[in-house]
Amino acid sequence: NAGVMQNPRHLVRRRGQEARLRCSPMKGHSHVYWYRQLPEEGLKFMVYLQKENIIDESGMPKERFSAEFPKEGPSILRIQQVVRGDSAAYFCASSTGTDNSPLHFGNGTRLTVT
Amino acid sequence: DQQVKQNSPSLSVQEGRISILNCDYTNSMFDYFLWYKKYPAEGPTFLISISSIKDKNEDGRFTVFLNKSAKHLSLHIVPSQPGDSAVYFCAAWYGGSQGNLIFGKGTKLSVKP
Repeated sequence: NAGVMQNPRHLVRRRGQEARLRCSPMKGHSHVYWYRQLPEEGLKFMVYLQKENIIDESGMPKERFSAEFPKEGPSILRIQQVVRGDSAAYFCASSTGTDNSPLHFGNGTRLTVT
Repeated sequence: DQQVKQNSPSLSVQEGRISILNCDYTNSMFDYFLWYKKYPAEGPTFLISISSIKDKNEDGRFTVFLNKSAKHLSLHIVPSQPGDSAVYFCAAWYGGSQGNLIFGKGTKLSVKP
């Protein structure tokens, strides 16, 4: 399966701990996007990255959240000192980056903060 | 401020009939629109898209119509099948893959046998 791979599928963290979410894009895709879905809501854009570069982080909360897409390895979304309000489904998507090429999504990581 | 709106949270249709899912947008800068389908516990799956220079795009049972003057688009599924039961998201962007994709809140479609 050469689709977008996210792990873990489920992650439980206590308040104050760190959460690390991983995403491997589809083969041949060099553009990665992170989205968050709260209950009863649509997907909200967080950040758009290319290898070693953050292109657009306008949807990222200013504190505690960070993202990277290193030269080697998966993209990581890191949430420090998690709070209950961070509980959500986090989806990663990838694309080739060519004009209007659709985003292909992974199956998400469900983060629960207790 | 919701730039992409799906005003019907749910829709129920009989198998074999047409399903029409609607979407409105407010940002006239949007130049490309996409529809995604989502099953529970899975990620959204790309269905069909349309450029703002077109008013219709068809792919098998799925057709998307765009009315730019009304800032409205719709997804038609005909004939509807029980396997089409899912949440459908309308999404829009400008700047293509270089921009961020703005999603509506989704419409849950139920197709009854």
